[in-house]
Amino acid sequence: GEDVEQSLFLSVREGDSSVINCTYTDSSSTYLYWYKQEPGAGLQLLTYIFSNMDMKQDQRLTVLLNKKDKHLSLRIADTQTGDSAIYFCAESGNTGGFKTIFGAGTRLFVKA
Amino acid sequence: EAQVTQNPRYLITVTGKKLTVTCSQNMNHEYMSWYRQDPGLGLRQIYYSMNVEVTDKGDVPEGYKVSRKEKRNFPLILESPSPNQTSLYFCASSPGAGVLNEQFFGPGTRLTVL
Repeated sequence: GEDVEQSLFLSVREGDSSVINCTYTDSSSTYLYWYKQEPGAGLQLLTYIFSNMDMKQDQRLTVLLNKKDKHLSLRIADTQTGDSAIYFCAESGNTGGFKTIFGAGTRLFVKA
Repeated sequence: EAQVTQNPRYLITVTGKKLTVTCSQNMNHEYMSWYRQDPGLGLRQIYYSMNVEVTDKGDVPEGYKVSRKEKRNFPLILESPSPNQTSLYFCASSPGAGVLNEQFFGPGTRLTVL
């Protein structure tokens, strides 16, 4: 079945850039998402990219999509301590979008 | 305020004692879903509902039941909880009827089954 994989931990210094990577298996993925989970809270949609796009930029966030390699990345520029959280990669196909597959989440630690 | 609420937020129970976790959304969303979050496994979908009286199994439905009698509510029922159901549970809703499926999550329910 479909699968989404990402590394579990990433540690960066405050002010550096963070890059969180994700790979997925479903070639019919239509939308790919990045969700953020802060401690003690549910997930919130951070950004998304449509499968016919290569890149999407939103302020400090840059999403890169390599559809051939089924690789998605999230770059956070000028990482702040408030960015410390778990980041989930997710994908949904074109079956009405109801089925979303999540990765295991990458815990980002930001050192002051 | 648009939100998804879950109750209780924390629950400790014993094996075999039936329990219900409630979920309610005030955004008139058609689609609702239950997930469990376990370390290293991410979110796994338990059940989902595309509308009132329409429910279907997700990836890990064993040991769980759901109902969708009203659009706003989607309770998760554990008829006979077991220790392997100790987990963090999230309810989510989305407008549905579209390919972009932004889901809005509740705050989570941490369940411990002894």
